[in-house]
This record gives sequence, C-alpha cells and structure tokens, in this order.
Amino acid sequence: DIKMTQSPSSLSASVGDRVSITCRASQSISSYLNWYQQKPGKAPKLLIYAASSLESGVPSRFSGSESGTEFTLTISGLQPEDFATYYCQQSYSTLWTFGQGTKVEIK
Amino acid sequence: EVQLVESGGGLVKPGGSLRLSCAGSGFSFSSSGINWVRQAPGKGLEWVSSISSRSTYVDYAESVRGRFTISRDDAKNSVYLQMNSLRADDTALYYCARNSHHATMEFWGQGTLVTVSS
Repeated sequence: DIKMTQSPSSLSASVGDRVSITCRASQSISSYLNWYQQKPGKAPKLLIYAASSLESGVPSRFSGSESGTEFTLTISGLQPEDFATYYCQQSYSTLWTFGQGTKVEIK
Repeated sequence: EVQLVESGGGLVKPGGSLRLSCAGSGFSFSSSGINWVRQAPGKGLEWVSSISSRSTYVDYAESVRGRFTISRDDAKNSVYLQMNSLRADDTALYYCARNSHHATMEFWGQGTLVTVSS
C-alpha cells in the first residue's frame, strides 16, 4: 500500500495566519492527491483535487501544490471556520489511503 | 440534491457479523462508484472498500480483505458492506462516499456507527 505521511499532526495558529500542511507519499503518485477538511461530528469535505485544483465552492484562500512526492495544502489568511482537521488522500493506486490528519487549532 | 444515507450499524460481539447499507438519491446511482470509509473514535480516516458501476471492479483495504464484502443493488439504489469475523478494531463510524471527478470522494453520508464489543 502507498503510505501517506502528513506533518505536522497538529498546529496552533491565529486568525489571519498563513498555514501550510505537508503530505509525503511513499512512492510516486503523479498528481493523484486530494485534500479534505473535517469538522467535529461532520463528514469530510473535499477541498482540493489533483494536487492543486480547487473544488467548486471552496474559498480561494485554500491552495495546493506539489513537488515530486511531497504535497502541500496552504491556507492563506486563516478564518475562524477553518479550524478543523485536514487529511490528504491518494487515489493513484486502487487501494486508496489517507494521511493521518493534521488538526488546526486556535492559538 | 445528492444524498447518501448509511444504516445498519450497531453493537455486535467479536466474531459476529453485520451488514451496512448505503442508499443514494439525487444522482445517477447505477453509474456511480461508491466507497466505504471508516473512522475509529478519535482517529483518522481509513478507506475500507470500493465498488465500481456495474460491480465491474471491487477492492478492499488489507485490514478487511477476506472478512468484508461489498456489493450493490442498483434497482434499490443501494450499496452494501457485509462485515464478518468482526474484531474490536473494526469499531468505527462507517461512511459511504460517492466517487466523483478525478478519483475524489465529493459526496459523503453522515455515517453509521459500528461497535464491536463483548
């Protein structure tokens, strides 16, 4: 299975901060990398697909990038509603796998 | 409006069985692939299984292969997850999610809770 390693596992930030979360794949996954946001008691929500494409309706402060097997989710100007847990997920192999999640908390 | 509704969760003893259902509406169910994803209490997301349209393709995470079986009944707009030989570490909230563009999971249900305990 392809292992996805996210870092950090948690972070504290303030409203307005720029925040970056990294996800590293254990092998090449091309651009088959998606990002999800999950709030407590809710189902995950798709934010970014194909490494850098913004899902319809998602604010433009969210962006994704890639460099080889390393992928980054950036939130430019953190808003109160962005405090949540974020997961990366690869869909390159037929056995999809998620990163372990990054919890973004209020400082 | 796209809707996915899971049901069938509950409390089961180790070694027991349970069948989860995922009912879809508001989209072309028969042409959609469906996934099961689970989340143990306080833990992260784990992809469990997927089934393509027309059941052409199915697959399972290593952790459930040989114990879980995914199937679909397009006449009932439903996908099922038959779970056998359940273990304590299968305890989780089980979500179904629809395959969407670019191999994503765009639409999710609200989940059904499975608790495996004696």
